[in-house]
Amino acid sequence: DGGITQSPKYLFRKEGQNVTLSCEQNLNHDAMYWYRQDPGQGLRLIYYSQIVNDFQKGDIAEGYSVSREKKESFPLTVTSAQKNPTAFYLCASSMVGLADTQYFGPGTRLTVL
Amino acid sequence: SQQGEEDPQALSIQEGENATMNCSYKTSINNLQWYRQNSGRGLVHLILIRSNEREKHSGRLRVTLDTSKKSSSLLITASRAADTASYFCATSPSQLVSNFGNEKLTFGTGTRLTIIP
Repeated sequence: DGGITQSPKYLFRKEGQNVTLSCEQNLNHDAMYWYRQDPGQGLRLIYYSQIVNDFQKGDIAEGYSVSREKKESFPLTVTSAQKNPTAFYLCASSMVGLADTQYFGPGTRLTVL
Repeated sequence: SQQGEEDPQALSIQEGENATMNCSYKTSINNLQWYRQNSGRGLVHLILIRSNEREKHSGRLRVTLDTSKKSSSLLITASRAADTASYFCATSPSQLVSNFGNEKLTFGTGTRLTIIP
């Protein structure tokens, strides 16, 4: 069953803590992305990666970090430096290019208490 | 900055009617894509139209693209309650605009469509 998975679905964090969101895909896609979505808003790009061991900052990378050690995995860490981390986080992948169709995971809702 | 802007922000229609949403963008594009998002879920790709295409169909969906006006429209015919969702357009800039290598998608803020049974 091919697809892209994110875990956990809901995540609660205390202020000052780092937290890592998981994203895994078995579509054999080269490119992976992390987006943030705030209520009633569109998607804003946090980080993206086109190849293993390489990634680029998106529009709102401050306070976030990523790694791409395996083609299938692209975890996102929300650090304590992120001022307003409460949001819905979406991971996506595309076959090769940045202009290709993107396939999304179900999302992780992060709430900072 | 957001490249695509959808209009209207929200739309409510009766089941069976047609729904039309519009997307305007600012710079030359490689392609334009439409996605659907059900509440609290991930986005699902609906259709991709390239800059040299003017119209595409997929089932009850019809997408048009007018590059001279920098706009696109998504038409859903014979709407159903299950079509209730938010719809987003996403644009990929042309290679001339993106300096040959950074054609990443930029998403609009979406149109929230409600189908009334």
